[in-house]
Amino acid sequence: SQQGEEDPQALSIQEGENATMNCSYKTSINNLQWYRQNSGRGLVHLILIRSNEREKHSGRLRVTLDTSKKSSSLLITASRAADTASYFCATVLNQAGTALIFGKGTTLSVSS
Amino acid sequence: DSGVTQTPKHLITATGQRVTLRCSPRSGDLSVYWYQQSLDQGLQFLIHYYNGEERAKGNILERFSAQQFPDLHSELNLSSLELGDSALYFCASSTLGTGNYGYTFGSGTRLTVV
Repeated sequence: SQQGEEDPQALSIQEGENATMNCSYKTSINNLQWYRQNSGRGLVHLILIRSNEREKHSGRLRVTLDTSKKSSSLLITASRAADTASYFCATVLNQAGTALIFGKGTTLSVSS
Repeated sequence: DSGVTQTPKHLITATGQRVTLRCSPRSGDLSVYWYQQSLDQGLQFLIHYYNGEERAKGNILERFSAQQFPDLHSELNLSSLELGDSALYFCASSTLGTGNYGYTFGSGTRLTVV
């Protein structure tokens, strides 16, 4: 079962532009996490935002969380070709869950 | 190198066969998670072990089984393989047994069933 749903499924931008990806989820959460996956490689943890946080920054990444709307967004500023990858949001299925459940991801393509 | 080691990197086998995938978690991590990634199903959670004990099961088929050993490495056993089992299998580790911390993923095992 899917907990998070990313939107859009695919995004194509030019280098230097900003990329915004959205994630909606179904149940209450303790935290929401974003991961990046380069083609065929393992996932890399980018950022974790807790349910009592509204915004978090890490380098060129900005994540927001709106628990009332059960949604989160990942903004990548000044995109580079190296940002080309799939991006996934993940959270546990319920309060008692122990494992992260991932959405189907947004595929970002940054062209130079 | 993420610190999570998965072997083998590639595996090609025939239908009906049995294979074992191995995962060594990052040093100090007690939890090991197994995921299957395919184009049509996305990233599916299979099973979670914490310090040798099974903690949660996801969409794991009865033909699949796993265990975590005292040295914390884990093995995922896939038997009676079918063409549809062809996928990338990832292992991830984390410090504790909850979803409250980030995971460290291995580079995966690409299984091809022919």
